[in-house]
Amino acid sequence: GAGVSQSPSNKVTEKGKDVELRCDPISGHTALYWYRQSLGQGLEFLIYFQGNSAPDKSGLPSDRFSAERTGGSVSTLTIQRTQQEDSAVYLCASSLGRESPLHFGNGTRLTVT
Amino acid sequence: AQSVTQLDSQVPVFEEAPVELRCNYSSSVSVYLFWYVQYPNQGLQLLLKYLSGSTLVKGINGFEAEFNKSQTSFHLRKPSVHISDTAEYFCAVSPINTDKLIFGTGTRLQVFP
Repeated sequence: GAGVSQSPSNKVTEKGKDVELRCDPISGHTALYWYRQSLGQGLEFLIYFQGNSAPDKSGLPSDRFSAERTGGSVSTLTIQRTQQEDSAVYLCASSLGRESPLHFGNGTRLTVT
Repeated sequence: AQSVTQLDSQVPVFEEAPVELRCNYSSSVSVYLFWYVQYPNQGLQLLLKYLSGSTLVKGINGFEAEFNKSQTSFHLRKPSVHISDTAEYFCAVSPINTDKLIFGTGTRLQVFP
């Protein structure tokens, strides 16, 4: 069956521009997670959703970052006024719940020039 | 708040040798524990998990991990590694009262012939 789909796979943007990253989770998965993976930094937790609500937004690096999920399905991560330090691979994962394995997408590689 | 520490960023080992990848965590509440693996140019996949019961858990590809509550550790072991085990290994922790999942910075296992 279809896995977690992320788009775009690559995004190059100029400093100061806004970007929107999209995640289509596996159908029926109630939990959805966003992580950022930078070289040598591992997976940095950003936010997770249970259904449409985000119980924990503590990982968002600044108020330039926001995320939403609609219909218990698609999620978008928006970065406003991008900075060079935002360059990283942004990973989305979904699961039936944290006791179940997370299924990761292939990520969006964001490069801010 | 929860945190995960993987002290070894890289572990080089010869084929057929035993290996242990260390993971320590910090949490004020009980946790579930996980190991994920990322093979070169692939997404993360679940290796094994501890939810409750026996503190020794077995995963895929001959790996096992032992939960030690007093030492707040969840070290990953394999008695004899193979070249194909070369990958990045991530330890993760989730408090039992939420779905938040926090990853460590990863340990790169490099197996040499």
